Amino acid sequence: EDKVVQSPLSLVVHEGDTVTLNCSYEVTNFRSLLWYKQEKKAPTFLFMLTSSGIEKKSGRLSSILDKKELFSILNITATQTGDSAVYLCAAVPSSNTGKLIFGQGTTLQVKP
Amino acid sequence: NAGVTQTPKFQVLKTGQSMTLQCAQDMNHNSMYWYRQDPGMGLRLIYYSASEGTTDKGEVPNGYNVSRLNKREFSLRLESAAPSQTSVYFCASSEQVAYGYTFGSGTRLTVV
Repeated sequence: EDKVVQSPLSLVVHEGDTVTLNCSYEVTNFRSLLWYKQEKKAPTFLFMLTSSGIEKKSGRLSSILDKKELFSILNITATQTGDSAVYLCAAVPSSNTGKLIFGQGTTLQVKP
Repeated sequence: NAGVTQTPKFQVLKTGQSMTLQCAQDMNHNSMYWYRQDPGMGLRLIYYSASEGTTDKGEVPNGYNVSRLNKREFSLRLESAAPSQTSVYFCASSEQVAYGYTFGSGTRLTVV
């Protein structure tokens, strides 16, 4: 059975800290991995990772995929209170059904 | 730039009542999805529609039915609501799943 597991499930840090969120996957015919940020409402897209070892970066956020060890990490440097959210990772299988396989999410709280 | 529109945003039902959650997208996407999100469980797929005229069960379809009314609209029906269906429901659509979904803003449903 395909599955995606995120860790930790929750995390509390202070502004300025650096955090690393983990996502491991076991997916038949893996195609790519997606990261989303979810605040009060709908998840919003952060990154798509397809190739191993190539870092994607957007401001203070960065992410990388390891297809050999079957995991991805999301790093946030110099955290701010606005980074408080649930971070979701999702695996994309190669099948054309369009179904994503989501992890449980990591709830990040950044305190002032 | 409406994207994916879900209605209603909030709903309280009594056990045994029925209701339909509406979803419409204006991006001409072929695929549409219904997910539910529960604490610690991430997003779980209820039903999806890979294209107009087709629907398929996801991970947790019991107690739900769907209708892909046309390319734009995909509705989710609860025939006889149960407290276990208390959740936040998200509709999403995609053209190429490798680039992820566009999510609606969610419906918070409480069944008492």
